[in-house]
Amino acid sequence: AQSVTQPDARVTVSEGASLQLRCKYSSSGTPYLFWYVQYPRQGLQLLLKYYSGDPVVQGVNGFEAEFSKSNSSFHLRKASVHWSDSAVYFCVLSLTGNTGKLIFGLGTTLQVQP
Amino acid sequence: GGIITQTPKFLIGQEGQKLTLKCQQNFNHDTMYWYRQDSGKGLRLIYYSITENDLQKGDLSEGYDASREKKSSFSLTVTSAQKNEMAVFLCASSTGNERLFFGHGTKLSVL
Repeated sequence: AQSVTQPDARVTVSEGASLQLRCKYSSSGTPYLFWYVQYPRQGLQLLLKYYSGDPVVQGVNGFEAEFSKSNSSFHLRKASVHWSDSAVYFCVLSLTGNTGKLIFGLGTTLQVQP
Repeated sequence: GGIITQTPKFLIGQEGQKLTLKCQQNFNHDTMYWYRQDSGKGLRLIYYSITENDLQKGDLSEGYDASREKKSSFSLTVTSAQKNEMAVFLCASSTGNERLFFGHGTKLSVL
């Protein structure tokens, strides 16, 4: 069965600190993996995506994620967070070519303290 | 750039009432989706449509109907609102390459 687990429901960090949001996936086929972000009172937006190739993918606003097949993980990182990064972050799994069948994690709420 | 517009932003209904949520997109995307977002439960797919007049059930389709009469619009009907139900319904569209563009949501409360 396909699934996505975000083990941390809430993460609090200080502004300027580094960040890692964890994501573990389970997939029987080749996974496509995404991170989406939901800012307060806004729609979800794509941060980055991984299809194949270099396991480290760069996204918007200084975010990056690293795909690990051996660990079944796709953790999101940022070297130095800003207060405006406070949002809910979703790790998402899609099976190859199976449009519409996206599997969302439960989300991690990030709070950045000044 | 395009935009996805969901109406209404807030919807208050009575138990047993039929309620309709609307979604319009001007991306000219083929595929549109309806997701339900509950606190602590992530997003769950209700219906999606890969073209005009097409409907595909998601994991949470029971209790809902959908309609895609035009490429640019996708409506969702709650067939019988449940008492104390509270959720956010998100509409999205895509070209089929898995990148979704989302609307801001319709927040439903049932009295």
